[in-house]
Amino acid sequence: KAGVTQTPRYLIKTRGQQVTLSCSPISGHRSVSWYQQTPGQGLQFLFEYFSETQRNKGNFPGRFSGRQFSNSRSEMNVSTLELGDSALYLCASSFENIQYFGAGTRLSVL
Amino acid sequence: DQQVKQNSPSLSVQEGRISILNCDYTNSMFDYFLWYKKYPAEGPTFLISISSIKDKNEDGRFTVFLNKSAKHLSLHIVPSQPGDSAVYFCAASGSGGSNYKLTFGKGTLLTVNP
Repeated sequence: KAGVTQTPRYLIKTRGQQVTLSCSPISGHRSVSWYQQTPGQGLQFLFEYFSETQRNKGNFPGRFSGRQFSNSRSEMNVSTLELGDSALYLCASSFENIQYFGAGTRLSVL
Repeated sequence: DQQVKQNSPSLSVQEGRISILNCDYTNSMFDYFLWYKKYPAEGPTFLISISSIKDKNEDGRFTVFLNKSAKHLSLHIVPSQPGDSAVYFCAASGSGGSNYKLTFGKGTLLTVNP
């Protein structure tokens, strides 16, 4: 089976812009979670989607949003980018309590 | 408030010896624990997990021990190999609807010297 695929791998944006990141889960996995990794805060949970519904949400501002499509693919959107949003964004799909991660999207905000 | 703590930012061991990575947690609602390994420029890779109803789980060279009363778990790697050099993350999840929300520690960088 193919693993979790995230696109793009790298992205450079400027403050105030918005960005959309994409995640294709492992075939058959219906739950998709998103995490932000920064050097200071480590890996932090953003949100989780299951069957097109947000099921869990972390402590991030409303500028961070997501959605899931009927084929389980998910997108994450960040609006009005700030310098502090520079991070590695990781997507994971889940099966039987185990989350399998993609390689991530490295976002740099200038 | 950090609910999952890995107090050692780094650990260095010799090839062939045992590596012991430690993790402490504060939230007694956590009932499932996982260890991930991460290389630079890659996503975390699942290694091994343990449910709170067990105190030990073994998979090849990797063994995870759970001490619920101390809220402590550890990952043992025996024997350690240079290819094991990576950042290791401990993660925990709760029951019910929150079991897909992982809380991670900040990681321990393991270096295995040839």
